[in-house]
Amino acid sequence: EPEVTQTPSHQVTQMGQEVILRCVPISNHLYFYWYRQILGQKVEFLVSFYNNEISEKSEIFDDQFSVERPDGSNFTLKIRSTKLEDSAMYFCARSTGSNQPQHFGDGTRLSIL
Amino acid sequence: GNSVTQMEGPVTLSEEAFLTINCTYTATGYPSLFWYVQYPGEGLQLLLKATKADDKGSNKGFEATYRKETTSFHLEKGSVQVSDSAVYFCALSHLAGGTSYGKLTFGQGTILTVHP
Repeated sequence: EPEVTQTPSHQVTQMGQEVILRCVPISNHLYFYWYRQILGQKVEFLVSFYNNEISEKSEIFDDQFSVERPDGSNFTLKIRSTKLEDSAMYFCARSTGSNQPQHFGDGTRLSIL
Repeated sequence: GNSVTQMEGPVTLSEEAFLTINCTYTATGYPSLFWYVQYPGEGLQLLLKATKADDKGSNKGFEATYRKETTSFHLEKGSVQVSDSAVYFCALSHLAGGTSYGKLTFGQGTILTVHP
């Protein structure tokens, strides 16, 4: 299975700034997911994305978050105005089907100062 | 809602010891079950999976059997190595009438350290 690539590997941002996290696509992957892991806590589902639209989102995924995959390019997660509690590892995952195993990237460590 | 509970860690073993990491779940219907492993500084890697009751997933000497009667999916390995030191996550994926797009619900993770 091809490796899932995320960029950047580490992002340090001032509180209130916008951040964009990126996930490099593979053409035969149709389903995309974002998860986050706050230090010492569980990996939590944020959002799933299929056919260029959000298919499911968690209560964490509020109006500050958005995802897109413009023109088949990188799959991105945007946080419009970051808060201290957004500090976490953010993982992108992809699969070829909703009932197929998900394959994860190495994550982006987001640190909000 | 769906939930996954793993045994508390950390777990510390000597090389060649037997490993068990307990995982139980709560879900309606018939979820698929997974074990993911996270090596230091890396992302989550799929270790093994099982999609229906009594299925046994296996990979790299690790095994787990989907037990519907006990709602469990315990991870086992007969002889661990130092290179198995990592964090292990149990997870479930549930297609609820086709309205769920396969989101994963994770356990809290179990840190395994294997000493020579």
